[in-house]
Amino acid sequence: QKEVEQNSGPLSVPEGAIASLNCTYSDRVSQSFFWYRQYSGKSPELIMSIYSNGDKEDGRFTAQLNKASQYVSLLIRDSQPSDSATYLCAVKGPSNSNSGYALNFGKGTSLLVTP
Amino acid sequence: ETGVTQTPRHLVMGMTNKKSLKCEQHLGHNAMYWYKQSAKKPLELMFVYNFKEQTENNSVPSRFSPECPNSSHLFLHLHTLQPEDSALYLCASSQDWVGTVNTGELFFGEGSRLTVL
Repeated sequence: QKEVEQNSGPLSVPEGAIASLNCTYSDRVSQSFFWYRQYSGKSPELIMSIYSNGDKEDGRFTAQLNKASQYVSLLIRDSQPSDSATYLCAVKGPSNSNSGYALNFGKGTSLLVTP
Repeated sequence: ETGVTQTPRHLVMGMTNKKSLKCEQHLGHNAMYWYKQSAKKPLELMFVYNFKEQTENNSVPSRFSPECPNSSHLFLHLHTLQPEDSALYLCASSQDWVGTVNTGELFFGEGSRLTVL
């Protein structure tokens, strides 16, 4: 069973702080990593994808990947109350492989940004 | 018009009922998916259709029966469900099946909240 682990939270941070969300995965051949945001009562939406070790920045969001440690994280700078949501980590193996036919999701981390 | 539309948004059914969930995507995508989202569990992939052909059936019980008449429409037919099947059922689409590309941009519908009594 390929596992994607996330702390369910809630993670509470004050407005303006950096929120750090973490995810670990068990399948060593995983190649593609994604962060989805899901507001309460809404559907998930993709906010970041990362495929190589290191950091990838997009506005206030930074995804970090360390394949050796099987660890991917999402940093949200200058957190806003509107960032309050559940953040889902998703992992995929190589295309055309047994682990690459679908995204494997974690349970999600609930983030609460307090004013 | 939103990209992926699901109906109904809420459904309550008895264990002996037959009902269907409908999904329509207006994005011109080639792949469509059914996911199940239960409280405190990860999103579970149920079925994948690529160019109308079913590519994956993730060991889903036969009381769930998918149908994909064309690349824009996807149905989930429900029959003799159990209370543990109560969940949010999410339809998603992607330009290409994620099994053939590295990208993972799934576009989700708002979901159908199913309650089985």
